[in-house]
Amino acid sequence: DAKTTQPNSMESNEEEPVHLPCNHSTISGTDYIHWYRQLPSQGPEYVIHGLTSNVNNRMASLAIAEDRKSSTLILHRATLRDAAVYYCILRAATLPNEKLTFGTGTRLTIIP
Amino acid sequence: DTGVSQNPRHKITKRGQNVTFRCDPISEHNRLYWYRQTLGQGPEFLTYFQNEAQLEKSRLLSDRFSAERPKGSFSTLEIQRTEQGDSAMYLCASTQAESTDTQYFGPGTRLTVL
Repeated sequence: DAKTTQPNSMESNEEEPVHLPCNHSTISGTDYIHWYRQLPSQGPEYVIHGLTSNVNNRMASLAIAEDRKSSTLILHRATLRDAAVYYCILRAATLPNEKLTFGTGTRLTIIP
Repeated sequence: DTGVSQNPRHKITKRGQNVTFRCDPISEHNRLYWYRQTLGQGPEFLTYFQNEAQLEKSRLLSDRFSAERPKGSFSTLEIQRTEQGDSAMYLCASTQAESTDTQYFGPGTRLTVL
């Protein structure tokens, strides 16, 4: 499986934008980039995914580098409820329903 | 739909005892996954089912672990002769096989082996 690298932790002030980076230098051409997050005492939840183009949804935006070797999850206006561990995961397009391979993720702390 | 549910939410047991956890997936989802998560780590895959067929098992799933999904709906995960190293959060997720993205996770069962 292609590997992702994320910072262990980040802090951000409430109501400010947050940029969570992910490096995936060995990504293959058919790998989708997925983000999940895990709030305290809960199971992971899907945030967003993309292949080549930047993506937006109600939760976040995903900016994908032109060479696809890195991506950034953007929370436009962080709230205290966004404090969670964020996981960047690569999924092969040819195996869309295979298991998810999680790393250790980035623990995001929101400062009031 | 109320999402994926898991029972119990917490289980404390003594070493050597058997435990069983239950997962009820989202009703129209035919794929069901089990993961295990230890403190400070991301979830690790254990096994998955498509309908009632168990299609893959991780090497993490020792012979003390068994999972079933007899009617293609709910699933059970049993651990026999529990060990302290089995203490973890056990997570269940479901998805539709025809879907290309999201796995929906339950809240997990936290197991503590004393």
